[in-house]
Formats: sequence, structure tokens, C-alpha cells
Amino acid sequence: DAGITQSPRHKVTETGTPVTLRCHQTENHRYMYWYRQDPGHGLRLIHYSYGVKDTDKGEVSDGYSVSRSKTEDFLLTLESATSSQTSVYFCAISENSGMSTGELFFGEGSRLTVL
Amino acid sequence: SQKIEQNSEALNIQEGKTATLTCNYTNYSPAYLQWYRQDPGRGPVFLLLIRENEKEKRKERLKVTFDTTLKQSLFHITASQPADSATYLCALELDNNRKLIWGLGTSLAVNP
Repeated sequence: DAGITQSPRHKVTETGTPVTLRCHQTENHRYMYWYRQDPGHGLRLIHYSYGVKDTDKGEVSDGYSVSRSKTEDFLLTLESATSSQTSVYFCAISENSGMSTGELFFGEGSRLTVL
Repeated sequence: SQKIEQNSEALNIQEGKTATLTCNYTNYSPAYLQWYRQDPGRGPVFLLLIRENEKEKRKERLKVTFDTTLKQSLFHITASQPADSATYLCALELDNNRKLIWGLGTSLAVNP
């Protein structure tokens, strides 16, 4: 299995509080992604990173920010959590530098509940 | 509008039979299409990637076809086993933008 660790795996928080989810990889892959998965929606890309300090928005980036200060760590921050951000969050990594994203390796997910 | 559709109803088959899952899309011209498996409470696991200029790809008991005219991909599992029971996701990738577009997945149950 690819070395991807997400933390925390489960979190319950209240509306308006800040939340940070961490993704740590030991594969030295260049690309890292944050997705959310909700019933009735496919996986949706929040943000991704193509290198240290290089990030770009996905399709559902509003209310989220990311940072990547080291190759191995990609942080997802909800500055002020809302109930609509209750979801399962997945981190993924890939290395393919060609034309395609290539194979994504996913973490085990972080289940966030915002009350 | 652009959309990607997978069989919404769960697929139940008998062990040993071939499972066929469908991924249809409209208003996209994907350069690549990927299939993943997801078990409950786990992250998706990559299975196969097929390019727009490839008609078919195989890996052990798995086969994927990609028909850009019909805008459809079929995913086959031959000699299915109860361990193949999972949700299968398809994802499109448009040319060179690194942003996959995901279907909702099809739940497969293989009965012993």
C-alpha cells in the first residue's frame, strides 16, 4: 500500500471553528490532492498541489485553503467550518508527470462532522 | 450539461459469472478514463486506466473497453468472486488538466 496517512480520521466540531486536516505521504510523489465525498455526488476536487508551495483550486474550493510547505505534507484548512462541510475527506497522491494524472493513491479518509 | 453516469442500481450476480458495469458520459471528450474500487469506509483503489485511442485494456480478470463514439466505457470482471463485492467508480480526465471527473459508482455484490 502507498504510504499515505490522514489525520485525524474522525472529527466532530462546531460551526464556526477552524479545522485542519493533514495528509502525510512517504512516497515522495509530486502531486497531492484533497477530495470530498458526499452521498449523491461523486468525488469532488477541493484543491491540489503540484509541488512545494504550488497549489491550485479544484471545483469546490470555496471555504477551504491548503498549504504545502514540505513535499510530504499537504494541509487542508477550513477557516470557519459550516454544516455543509460535513463530509468524508480523502487525500490522494500521484507521480505521473506526463499528460495524464495517472494512478491516484488514496488515503483512508477523514470523516468530519460539523454540528 | 456535462455529466457522467454509472448504473445507479446495485448489481447482484452469482459467483463465477461475469460482471459488467457501465460508465456513460455526455458532453465530454476525455483523454483518459480510469476505474477504481472502493470498499466501505476505505479510500478508492486504482484498477485500470485506458486512453482515448485504446479500445480495450486487460488486467488479470478485469477488462475495460472505451468507445468514444458511444461515449461509454464498460468494465468487466470475469469469474467473479465474493471478494469482488465493492463499489466501482469511473473517472474521466480531460486532456492535461489533472482534474478527474468522477461518477457516483456502482455497487456490485457477488453472491456465493
